[in-house]
Amino acid sequence: DVKVTQSSRYLVKRTGEKVFLECVQDMDHENMFWYRQDPGLGLRLIYFSYDVKMKEKGDIPEGYSVSREKKERFSLILESASTNQTSMYLCASRTRTGLNYGYTFGSGTRLTVV
Amino acid sequence: EDQVTQSPEALRLQEGESSSLNCSYTVSGLRGLFWYRQDPGKGPEFLFTLYSAGEEKEKERLKATLTKKESFLHITAPKPEDSATYLCAVQAHGGQLTFGSGTQLTVLP
Repeated sequence: DVKVTQSSRYLVKRTGEKVFLECVQDMDHENMFWYRQDPGLGLRLIYFSYDVKMKEKGDIPEGYSVSREKKERFSLILESASTNQTSMYLCASRTRTGLNYGYTFGSGTRLTVV
Repeated sequence: EDQVTQSPEALRLQEGESSSLNCSYTVSGLRGLFWYRQDPGKGPEFLFTLYSAGEEKEKERLKATLTKKESFLHITAPKPEDSATYLCAVQAHGGQLTFGSGTQLTVLP
C-alpha cells in the first residue's frame, strides 16, 4: 500500500514562528501536493511539486514556501505563522504515470497558531 | 476556472434509507472525476474515478455516476459506518485536482 506520512498530527505554534510541516511518501511518486482544509472551503492547493527540486504555486501560496530536496520528502514552510494559518494541512502524492488515478493522502496535520 | 459544487452540505439518514449526493462541476477538458471518503481527523481515502459521461462505478453500497455536468454518489441501504464526509474532485488537463467542499453524511442506527 502507498503510504504518505505526515510527521505531526497536531501542532501548536505561536504567531511569528517559522513552522515546518514534513511529508514523506514511500512509493517513489514523482508528484507531491500540499493542501489546507477549512470548514466550508474544502481543500485548497497551496503548492505542488512534479519532481525533485521542482515546485509550483497552487491557488493560495501566500505566506508559504516549500522544499523538495529528495523525491520522497516534501516540506511545507510557514515563514512567519499567523492565526489565519490555523487549519488542517494535508499532503498527497501521485505517480506521474497514473495521472488519472487521483492522489494518496496523508492523515493530516492540524495546526493551531496562537 | 474549474469549479466544483457539492450538495447538500450535510445529510442525515436513517439506517437503510437510500439517498444520493450531488457533485456539479464546470471544467474545461475533464480528465477525471474523483470521489473520496474522509473520516474525522483523517486524510481523504480514494473511492472512485470516473472518466466519461455515462460511466458508473460501484463499491459495496456506493455507486457513482457521471454526466457532462454532474456526478452522483448513490448510497443504497446505508449503515452507520458509512458516516463520513464525501468529497468530489475534478481533474482537468492541468493535472491538479480541484475539490468541492464535501457532503457530511450521518447515518443514524
